[in-house]
Amino acid sequence: EVQLLESGGGLVQPGGSLRLSCAASGFIFTSYGMSWVRQAPGKGLEWVSAISGDGIRTYYADSVKGRFTISRDNSKNTLYLQMNSLRAEDTAVYYCAKAGDSGSWYNYWGQGTLVTVSS
Amino acid sequence: DIQMTQSPSSLSASVGDRVTITCRASQGISNYLAWYQQKPGKVPKLLIYAASTLQSGVPSRFSGSGSGTDFTLTISSLQPEDVATYYCQKYDNAPLTFGGGTKVEI
Repeated sequence: EVQLLESGGGLVQPGGSLRLSCAASGFIFTSYGMSWVRQAPGKGLEWVSAISGDGIRTYYADSVKGRFTISRDNSKNTLYLQMNSLRAEDTAVYYCAKAGDSGSWYNYWGQGTLVTVSS
Repeated sequence: DIQMTQSPSSLSASVGDRVTITCRASQGISNYLAWYQQKPGKVPKLLIYAASTLQSGVPSRFSGSGSGTDFTLTISSLQPEDVATYYCQKYDNAPLTFGGGTKVEI
């Protein structure tokens, strides 16, 4: 059974940093691209970042480029999102999501971790 | 970047009604389109990928069509459990943009 378990969310001041983790199990982690998707309170889904299965290729939304870094440790089956220079508008539930067999659609999602950026 | 526009943003229909949601890409994306359902307080769920391929376990009343720039999600006979917000997502190239969502009520 595929499981994705996010952690690392919390309250942080504007300008601060946070690192999110997503522990994956139930599938061959290195074989799949992974992504982070966020959802601000009462708002829609926003794609944040993606990484290839081998970790070589990374992609970012313009809204986070230069501030967020996606990475993965395939030896630990874990996905990360390092978030720096956080802003109030980064407040959201952050989901990790597993790409499908034939494309970057998401057939499995974690339960999400809430990040609140506030003074 | 390619923009994804969904319409309508919300709709209200009756049980048994046929419901159609539209997603339009600002440039052609072939069939690299997925649809998700998100019920209140829940995690998004994949319904359809490759514009028209039904994800395993999804009821057959859901269907998708389209290619290029215009796509539709159809619920052939709306059920009470279909109350949710529906999102389209392009996945041809980054950024893997979501549409703004369509809230379906009964």
